[in-house]
Amino acid sequence: AQTVTQSQPEMSVQEAETVTLSCTYDTSESDYYLFWYKQPPSRQMILVIRQEAYKQQNATENRFSVNFQKAAKSFSLKISDSQLGDAAMYFCAYRSARIAGGTSYGKLTFGQGTILTVHP
Amino acid sequence: NAGVMQNPRHLVRRRGQEARLRCSPMKGHSHVYWYRQLPEEGLKFMVYLQKENIIDESGMPKERFSAEFPKEGPSILRIQQVVRGDSAAYFCASSMKITGTSGMNEQFFGPGTRLTVL
Repeated sequence: AQTVTQSQPEMSVQEAETVTLSCTYDTSESDYYLFWYKQPPSRQMILVIRQEAYKQQNATENRFSVNFQKAAKSFSLKISDSQLGDAAMYFCAYRSARIAGGTSYGKLTFGQGTILTVHP
Repeated sequence: NAGVMQNPRHLVRRRGQEARLRCSPMKGHSHVYWYRQLPEEGLKFMVYLQKENIIDESGMPKERFSAEFPKEGPSILRIQQVVRGDSAAYFCASSMKITGTSGMNEQFFGPGTRLTVL
């Protein structure tokens, strides 16, 4: 079974600065997807960024980028030019790419979350 | 295109009562996932359904919990004889299909139902 670990329960950053959230995972599979979700106080889950394991290039979405180290099974999220609206709980998630005949059926496995505070 | 709808948003039940949580997937989506988020924890997979079929219920407690996704109408997560430990946020997510193409696999989440058991 796959596991996802976020070792930072809480992180804080000054507005306009950069912060990196850590995530490691454990899997025996070679093909999978990784995600970062944001959960603001409203509790709505918002997809921030996704990474396909077969792609070596790190994904980037505006101020959000990832550092994907497949051999190390590490998937960190970097938030540049932090804004007050970035304050939220952030979850790292894993999904197997094995669908047909597999056992994952596309379900997501989440880490425990990191609470990000942004100071003005 | 409306997003994933869940109702009620908040549900209060006394121990021993039944809780029914509803999820209407996005238009055109035929795959529904239910997740539970206990306080201070991440989301945990419970069950995956397609129309009229339960495909994977490996994350669902064996007793008191059931789920359905009928041909017509929303998906229902039903919890019988609720206990305090069932207090949590329950999220539904839907996707269009589950092929190997990441874009088509994206799960869109509803706003969740917060269940409180007194």
